[in-house]
Amino acid sequence: EAGVAQSPRYKIIEKRQSVAFWCNPISGHATLYWYQQILGQGPKLLIQFQNNGVVDDSQLPKDRFSAERLKGVDSTLKIQPAKLEDSAVYLCASSLVAGFSTDTQYFGPGTRLTVL
Amino acid sequence: AQKITQTQPGMFVQEKEAVTLDCTYDTSDPSYGLFWYKQPSSGEMIFLIYQGSYDQQNATEGRYSLNFQKARKSANLVISASQLGDSAMYFCAMREFALGGGADGLTFGKGTHLIIQP
Repeated sequence: EAGVAQSPRYKIIEKRQSVAFWCNPISGHATLYWYQQILGQGPKLLIQFQNNGVVDDSQLPKDRFSAERLKGVDSTLKIQPAKLEDSAVYLCASSLVAGFSTDTQYFGPGTRLTVL
Repeated sequence: AQKITQTQPGMFVQEKEAVTLDCTYDTSDPSYGLFWYKQPSSGEMIFLIYQGSYDQQNATEGRYSLNFQKARKSANLVISASQLGDSAMYFCAMREFALGGGADGLTFGKGTHLIIQP
């Protein structure tokens, strides 16, 4: 079974530029998450989708970050304009359904963003 | 207040020894789940083990076991017979359901960097 796919793996941009990350979850997984992991810290949840609807975006900086999950499968996370403090690894995860305590989140390899 | 606390930033352990990684958590939600993930230098997060708040038995998965002490709000990971390939960052994480509506993103600790020495 294929895992969570993410692209690109690495991205370097100048501040104030825009950038987009793509995620393809495990086949059949209804729930998709985006996390931000700053160097030396644990991942922090940015947004959670259930199918193509947003379940939780309380920690998403909505002035510059946006995300969508069209057709309930692939998802795109965008930053516009980027700031220096956005330098981090952006991790996508998926799970079969939300709300079941035993359901495991499986993570993709991440996209490492460097903002200069 | 920190929801997940991992007090060991780094640990050095001799190969084949057992190692315990500490994790304490804070929640008022009666229903929650606790997870441990391994993150090698390559960056991917690898799921290791899960413990539910209502589980009576401590979880075990191969060489990994979770020492769950609910009253103390502690969920320590025990790795038996450590191997060189166990060198990585280890994160404790919690899933709560207090928000409702299916919101169940994980809250992670800051991690422990484990180095296994030959």
